[in-house]
Amino acid sequence: DQQVKQNSPSLSVQEGRISILNCDYTNSMFDYFLWYKKYPAEGPTFLISISSIKDKNEDGRFTVFLNKSAKHLSLHIVPSQPGDSAVYFCAASGASNFGNEKLTFGTGTRLTIIP
Amino acid sequence: KAGVTQTPRYLIKTRGQQVTLSCSPISGHRSVSWYQQTPGQGLQFLFEYFSETQRNKGNFPGRFSGRQFSNSRSEMNVSTLELGDSALYLCASSLGTGITYEQYFGPGTRLTVT
Repeated sequence: DQQVKQNSPSLSVQEGRISILNCDYTNSMFDYFLWYKKYPAEGPTFLISISSIKDKNEDGRFTVFLNKSAKHLSLHIVPSQPGDSAVYFCAASGASNFGNEKLTFGTGTRLTIIP
Repeated sequence: KAGVTQTPRYLIKTRGQQVTLSCSPISGHRSVSWYQQTPGQGLQFLFEYFSETQRNKGNFPGRFSGRQFSNSRSEMNVSTLELGDSALYLCASSLGTGITYEQYFGPGTRLTVT
């Protein structure tokens, strides 16, 4: 049972344009969400997070939007750069549910930025 | 500051064998978590150790076990290997336990079971 879903396995975007990566979740106990970026032969690196008390969090070119009613979050990258080409994982946790803070990851979306 | 290191980086084993993977966290980090990454399932949480105690466990069979030493280094063991255990095994360390502590991942150990 995939509680965190990334339905697009891959996405190609022109350099300079906006990249939008989507993630859906089913567990209403999730209240903390994160995005990780992974290059080949490296471990994932943390990108940005959002708590369920917010609906938007911005960090430079990266913005995460959370729609709790739709159980949907998205990562926007503006403008997209060649170095953004990587696999992006969405992850969720019941952070306020002490003892159950483990991360549940999606299956990842491979983003390719076309020069 | 050195990052998370995992050894070995690559491993080939035969069905039925057992394997031990090692993870050295970032200096000062006391929490180590392990994940299995496969193409169809993404990253799946195996377990988390904090101060030598298992804090949390994912939905994996008992063939998967782990431990943490007093210096925070961690090992995971898989006994009676199956073909489906072929995966990238990632460990992540953080200063403390709890999701608001940023996790830093190692490069992973690629295990192939034949």
